[in-house]
Amino acid sequence: GNSVTQMEGPVTLSEEAFLTINCTYTATGYPSLFWYVQYPGEGLQLLLKATKADDKGSNKGFEATYRKETTSFHLEKGSVQVSDSAVYFCALLNSGNTPLVFGKGTRLSVIA
Amino acid sequence: DTAVSQTPKYLVTQMGNDKSIKCEQNLGHDTMYWYKQDSKKFLKIMFSYNNKELIINETVPNRFSPKSPDKAHLNLHINSLELGDSAVYFCASSQPSAREGGYTFGSGTRLTVV
Repeated sequence: GNSVTQMEGPVTLSEEAFLTINCTYTATGYPSLFWYVQYPGEGLQLLLKATKADDKGSNKGFEATYRKETTSFHLEKGSVQVSDSAVYFCALLNSGNTPLVFGKGTRLSVIA
Repeated sequence: DTAVSQTPKYLVTQMGNDKSIKCEQNLGHDTMYWYKQDSKKFLKIMFSYNNKELIINETVPNRFSPKSPDKAHLNLHINSLELGDSAVYFCASSQPSAREGGYTFGSGTRLTVV
Protein backbone atom coordinates (compact mmCIF):
# COMPACT_ATOMS: atom_id res chain seq x y z
CA GLY A 1 0.00 0.00 0.00
CA ASN A 2 0.90 3.67 0.08
CA SER A 3 2.72 5.09 3.08
CA VAL A 4 4.89 8.02 4.10
CA THR A 5 7.59 8.07 6.75
CA GLN A 6 9.02 11.34 8.00
CA MET A 7 11.51 12.12 10.69
CA GLU A 8 10.28 12.31 14.23
CA GLY A 9 10.23 15.69 15.84
CA PRO A 10 10.29 18.00 17.44
CA VAL A 11 13.02 19.87 15.65
CA THR A 12 14.34 22.99 17.35
CA LEU A 13 16.56 25.39 15.42
CA SER A 14 17.95 28.84 15.88
CA GLU A 15 16.90 31.56 13.47
CA GLU A 16 18.86 31.49 10.16
CA ALA A 17 19.84 27.82 10.63
CA PHE A 18 19.55 25.30 7.79
CA LEU A 19 16.54 23.02 7.87
CA THR A 20 16.13 19.48 6.58
CA ILE A 21 13.08 17.34 7.30
CA ASN A 22 13.44 13.86 5.86
CA CYS A 23 10.57 12.14 4.09
CA THR A 24 10.51 8.75 2.36
CA TYR A 25 7.58 7.00 0.78
CA THR A 26 6.32 3.59 -0.30
CA ALA A 27 3.95 3.45 -3.23
CA THR A 28 3.11 1.53 -6.36
CA GLY A 29 3.41 3.44 -9.59
CA TYR A 30 4.31 7.11 -9.71
CA PRO A 31 2.62 9.15 -7.00
CA SER A 32 2.55 12.91 -6.65
CA LEU A 33 4.30 14.21 -3.53
CA PHE A 34 3.39 17.17 -1.33
CA TRP A 35 4.48 19.10 1.71
CA TYR A 36 1.74 20.68 3.80
CA VAL A 37 2.26 23.07 6.71
CA GLN A 38 0.03 23.57 9.74
CA TYR A 39 0.65 26.77 11.71
CA PRO A 40 -0.52 26.80 15.35
CA GLY A 41 -4.30 26.72 15.59
CA GLU A 42 -4.78 26.69 11.84
CA GLY A 43 -5.63 24.27 9.06
CA LEU A 44 -3.36 22.63 6.52
CA GLN A 45 -1.84 24.70 3.76
CA LEU A 46 -0.15 23.32 0.69
CA LEU A 47 3.50 24.37 0.84
CA LEU A 48 4.91 22.75 -2.29
CA LYS A 49 4.48 19.80 -4.60
CA ALA A 50 6.15 17.63 -7.22
CA THR A 51 4.36 15.38 -9.65
CA LYS A 52 7.15 13.38 -11.26
CA ALA A 53 10.68 12.16 -10.67
CA ASP A 54 13.37 14.85 -10.49
CA ASP A 55 10.79 17.64 -10.16
CA LYS A 56 11.70 20.26 -7.59
CA GLY A 57 8.90 21.97 -5.70
CA SER A 58 9.62 25.32 -4.10
CA ASN A 59 7.75 28.01 -2.18
CA LYS A 60 8.59 30.62 0.49
CA GLY A 61 12.25 29.57 0.46
CA PHE A 62 11.43 25.89 1.01
CA GLU A 63 12.46 23.26 -1.53
CA ALA A 64 12.01 19.53 -2.03
CA THR A 65 13.14 17.29 -4.89
CA TYR A 66 11.28 14.14 -5.93
CA ARG A 67 13.92 11.39 -5.88
CA LYS A 68 12.54 8.17 -7.31
CA GLU A 69 15.77 6.22 -6.83
CA THR A 70 15.73 6.82 -3.08
CA THR A 71 11.90 7.22 -2.80
CA SER A 72 12.45 10.47 -0.96
CA PHE A 73 11.11 14.02 -0.88
CA HIS A 74 13.14 15.81 1.77
CA LEU A 75 12.14 19.35 2.74
CA GLU A 76 14.91 21.96 2.98
CA LYS A 77 15.25 25.64 3.74
CA GLY A 78 18.49 27.55 3.82
CA SER A 79 17.65 30.02 6.59
CA VAL A 80 14.65 29.49 8.84
CA GLN A 81 12.72 32.23 10.57
CA VAL A 82 10.69 32.25 13.77
CA SER A 83 7.57 32.50 11.61
CA ASP A 84 8.38 29.07 10.11
CA SER A 85 7.52 27.40 13.41
CA ALA A 86 4.78 24.93 12.53
CA VAL A 87 4.05 21.26 11.92
CA TYR A 88 5.14 20.00 8.50
CA PHE A 89 3.49 17.03 6.80
CA CYS A 90 4.81 15.04 3.89
CA ALA A 91 2.06 13.43 1.80
CA LEU A 92 1.56 11.36 -1.31
CA LEU A 93 -1.27 10.93 -3.76
CA ASN A 94 -1.47 7.99 -6.07
CA SER A 95 -3.76 7.31 -8.97
CA GLY A 96 -7.34 6.07 -8.75
CA ASN A 97 -9.55 6.63 -5.71
CA THR A 98 -6.78 6.31 -3.15
CA PRO A 99 -6.79 9.40 -0.92
CA LEU A 100 -3.98 11.71 0.11
CA VAL A 101 -1.82 9.81 2.60
CA PHE A 102 0.12 11.76 5.23
CA GLY A 103 3.22 11.17 7.27
CA LYS A 104 2.98 11.67 11.01
CA GLY A 105 4.14 15.28 10.88
CA THR A 106 7.27 16.99 12.16
CA ARG A 107 7.00 19.89 14.57
CA LEU A 108 9.53 22.65 13.92
CA SER A 109 10.29 25.30 16.51
CA VAL A 110 12.54 28.19 15.52
CA ILE A 111 13.94 30.32 18.32
CA ALA A 112 15.30 33.84 17.98
CA ASP B 1 -13.70 34.55 0.51
CA THR B 2 -12.96 31.25 2.23
CA ALA B 3 -12.46 28.34 -0.18
CA VAL B 4 -13.33 25.51 2.22
CA SER B 5 -15.24 26.55 5.30
CA GLN B 6 -16.20 24.44 8.28
CA THR B 7 -18.56 25.22 11.12
CA PRO B 8 -18.30 25.26 14.01
CA LYS B 9 -14.62 25.91 14.66
CA TYR B 10 -14.92 24.61 18.22
CA LEU B 11 -17.42 22.13 19.60
CA VAL B 12 -17.59 21.03 23.23
CA THR B 13 -20.24 18.47 24.07
CA GLN B 14 -21.09 15.72 26.51
CA MET B 15 -20.76 12.00 25.98
CA GLY B 16 -23.79 10.45 24.39
CA ASN B 17 -24.85 13.55 22.48
CA ASP B 18 -25.35 13.76 18.72
CA LYS B 19 -23.60 16.55 16.81
CA SER B 20 -22.98 17.70 13.26
CA ILE B 21 -20.11 19.50 11.57
CA LYS B 22 -20.78 21.33 8.32
CA CYS B 23 -18.44 21.85 5.41
CA GLU B 24 -18.87 23.92 2.27
CA GLN B 25 -16.48 24.60 -0.60
CA ASN B 26 -16.82 27.34 -3.22
CA LEU B 27 -14.05 26.08 -5.49
CA GLY B 28 -16.28 24.06 -7.80
CA HIS B 29 -14.41 20.88 -6.84
CA ASP B 30 -16.01 17.51 -7.48
CA THR B 31 -14.57 15.58 -4.55
CA MET B 32 -14.74 16.24 -0.81
CA TYR B 33 -13.17 14.51 2.17
CA TRP B 34 -13.21 14.24 5.93
CA TYR B 35 -9.98 13.66 7.83
CA LYS B 36 -9.48 13.13 11.54
CA GLN B 37 -6.40 14.52 13.29
CA ASP B 38 -5.67 12.93 16.65
CA SER B 39 -3.84 14.42 19.61
CA LYS B 40 -0.49 13.38 18.13
CA LYS B 41 -1.30 15.29 14.93
CA PHE B 42 -1.73 12.11 12.89
CA LEU B 43 -4.12 12.67 9.95
CA LYS B 44 -6.32 9.85 8.78
CA ILE B 45 -8.90 9.76 5.98
CA MET B 46 -12.43 8.98 7.09
CA PHE B 47 -14.67 9.51 4.06
CA SER B 48 -14.59 10.76 0.51
CA TYR B 49 -17.45 11.82 -1.73
CA ASN B 50 -17.30 12.43 -5.46
CA ASN B 51 -20.21 14.46 -6.79
CA LYS B 52 -22.45 13.36 -3.90
CA GLU B 53 -21.46 9.70 -4.20
CA LEU B 54 -19.53 7.94 -1.42
CA ILE B 55 -16.26 6.57 -2.78
CA ILE B 56 -14.11 6.05 0.30
CA ASN B 57 -15.35 4.79 3.64
CA GLU B 58 -12.48 3.85 5.89
CA THR B 59 -12.85 1.79 9.04
CA VAL B 60 -14.88 4.33 10.96
CA PRO B 61 -17.55 3.49 13.56
CA ASN B 62 -21.02 3.63 12.04
CA ARG B 63 -21.85 6.34 14.57
CA PHE B 64 -20.20 8.61 11.99
CA SER B 65 -22.38 9.35 8.99
CA PRO B 66 -21.41 11.71 6.18
CA LYS B 67 -24.08 13.46 4.16
CA SER B 68 -23.61 15.29 0.89
CA PRO B 69 -26.71 17.21 -0.21
CA ASP B 70 -24.83 18.60 -3.22
CA LYS B 71 -21.28 18.54 -4.46
CA ALA B 72 -20.40 21.77 -2.62
CA HIS B 73 -21.35 20.42 0.81
CA LEU B 74 -20.21 17.47 2.89
CA ASN B 75 -21.49 17.35 6.45
CA LEU B 76 -20.43 14.95 9.18
CA HIS B 77 -22.96 13.71 11.71
CA ILE B 78 -21.80 11.88 14.81
CA ASN B 79 -24.17 9.92 17.04
CA SER B 80 -23.64 8.88 20.65
CA LEU B 81 -20.38 10.78 21.05
CA GLU B 82 -17.58 9.09 22.99
CA LEU B 83 -14.50 10.50 24.72
CA GLY B 84 -12.31 8.97 22.02
CA ASP B 85 -14.02 11.05 19.36
CA SER B 86 -12.23 14.13 20.68
CA ALA B 87 -10.01 15.32 17.84
CA VAL B 88 -9.70 17.94 15.13
CA TYR B 89 -11.77 17.14 12.06
CA PHE B 90 -10.72 18.58 8.71
CA CYS B 91 -12.79 18.88 5.59
CA ALA B 92 -11.02 19.06 2.22
CA SER B 93 -11.84 19.20 -1.46
CA SER B 94 -10.07 18.50 -4.74
CA GLN B 95 -10.45 18.51 -8.48
CA PRO B 96 -10.03 15.36 -10.59
CA SER B 97 -6.54 16.70 -11.20
CA ALA B 98 -5.73 16.40 -7.49
CA ARG B 99 -2.39 14.88 -8.39
CA GLU B 100 -1.47 18.27 -9.84
CA GLY B 101 -3.00 20.58 -7.26
CA GLY B 102 -3.40 18.53 -4.11
CA TYR B 103 -6.27 19.03 -1.71
CA THR B 104 -7.59 22.28 -0.24
CA PHE B 105 -8.33 22.02 3.47
CA GLY B 106 -10.67 23.86 5.79
CA SER B 107 -9.41 25.33 9.04
CA GLY B 108 -10.67 22.42 11.10
CA THR B 109 -13.24 21.76 13.83
CA ARG B 110 -11.88 20.97 17.27
CA LEU B 111 -14.30 18.55 18.91
CA THR B 112 -14.00 17.99 22.65
CA VAL B 113 -16.18 15.36 24.27
CA VAL B 114 -16.47 15.64 28.05
